[in-house]
Amino acid sequence: QQQVKQSPQSLIVQKGGISIINCAYENTAFDYFPWYQQFPGKGPALLIAIRPDVSEKKEGRFTISFNKSAKQFSLHIMDSQPGDSATYFCAASFSNSGYALNFGKGTSLLVTP
Amino acid sequence: NAGVTQTPKFRILKIGQSMTLQCTQDMNHNYMYWYRQDPGMGLKLIYYSVGAGITDKGEVPNGYNVSRSTTEDFPLRLELAAPSQTSVYFCASSRDRNTDTQYFGPGTRLTVL
Repeated sequence: QQQVKQSPQSLIVQKGGISIINCAYENTAFDYFPWYQQFPGKGPALLIAIRPDVSEKKEGRFTISFNKSAKQFSLHIMDSQPGDSATYFCAASFSNSGYALNFGKGTSLLVTP
Repeated sequence: NAGVTQTPKFRILKIGQSMTLQCTQDMNHNYMYWYRQDPGMGLKLIYYSVGAGITDKGEVPNGYNVSRSTTEDFPLRLELAAPSQTSVYFCASSRDRNTDTQYFGPGTRLTVL
């Protein structure tokens, strides 16, 4: 059973536009919600992460919005660039599992020039 | 620092063969993880370790074994390879349970024919 549901599966955005990827989870024990970015042929790399005590976290052009009551969180990429084209994974974990990550299925983002 | 290294990069196995995927990290991280990535399915946790001599099962452990005799190494053993084990395997590490960021290796692409 997929513990973290991610949508959309793929996304095409024009350069300069906003990319939005959504995730939902069921397990209320989750206390850490990262987003990973993966380029073809590479391992995933941490992009940005949030804990449930805040509703939003921003790092440069990347923002996580977190809605604890709805059990949802999303990634916003402002001013999307062709170099942002990659696969994005949301994930969730909790400390009792050693922060082993439960990943969503991923979103393939293409930013067109 | 080399970070997390994995060998081999590619491997083709015949059904019923066995092999060991190697993973080494030079960051003195206590926590290490093995994930498999199948197309469109995200990454799924196979096994993880919270320190030398301590391992635990993840979501999809069947058909795999691990050991952790040193802090640096976390090999993944496939016994009696099956076509269902065709996947890309990623090893990751993190410093401790209070430092969440997982650092991923470049992956091993395994095909079982």
